[in-house]
Amino acid sequence: SAVISQKPSRDICQRGTSLTIQCQVDSQVTMMFWYRQQPGQSLTLIATANQGSEATYESGFVIDKFPISRPNLTFSTLTVSNMSPEDSSIYLCSGRGWSTDTQYFGPGTRLTVL
Amino acid sequence: DQQVKQNSPSLSVQEGRISILNCDYTNSMFDYFLWYKKYPAEGPTFLISISSIKDKNEDGRFTVFLNKSAKHLSLHIVPSQPGDSAVYFCAASAGPSGAGSYQLTFGKGTKLSVIP
Repeated sequence: SAVISQKPSRDICQRGTSLTIQCQVDSQVTMMFWYRQQPGQSLTLIATANQGSEATYESGFVIDKFPISRPNLTFSTLTVSNMSPEDSSIYLCSGRGWSTDTQYFGPGTRLTVL
Repeated sequence: DQQVKQNSPSLSVQEGRISILNCDYTNSMFDYFLWYKKYPAEGPTFLISISSIKDKNEDGRFTVFLNKSAKHLSLHIVPSQPGDSAVYFCAASAGPSGAGSYQLTFGKGTKLSVIP
């Protein structure tokens, strides 16, 4: 299984600022995803991070608010832009390997926006 | 529209007994199902999965059963241990075909408490 790390593990940010979350996978994966878990809720897919091209966003999520990069097969970033308290969530990245349908998750980034 | 449902938000079980966590889905395109365990302040940890071509998959103390006609799956933990206390998420994906391939749709989770 892939080992996935995220930085930072948590942050407290002011309204109107932006935060970039990094996700590193220890082995090559075919697909990387970004999820959000709001307090008391389930995990919701934000977007699929595509290597070398624009991410594919789910309904309700837009590139201007959540720009995503994936410059290579093992690294991706998610930026939460112009933050508001409603963006306070846990943000998780996941990766799917070449020969499995299983996704493995990073430890998450707990974001609090004041 | 919630495509994956876990109707029990919590479950308490005595140590050594069986824990049964249930999950229902509505999307007939789902063909791969997974269970994850999540501790507070950690990411989800993969537990066990099942493909739609099977009706049972077993891994140690964990068994997942799939009833496609009822669009229902369940996770059995036998025997339950205090370390199993966590939130369990059911997830489903539609595989390689069509839009939304490989993306996971999650239920809201069931908090399992195993009492020593």
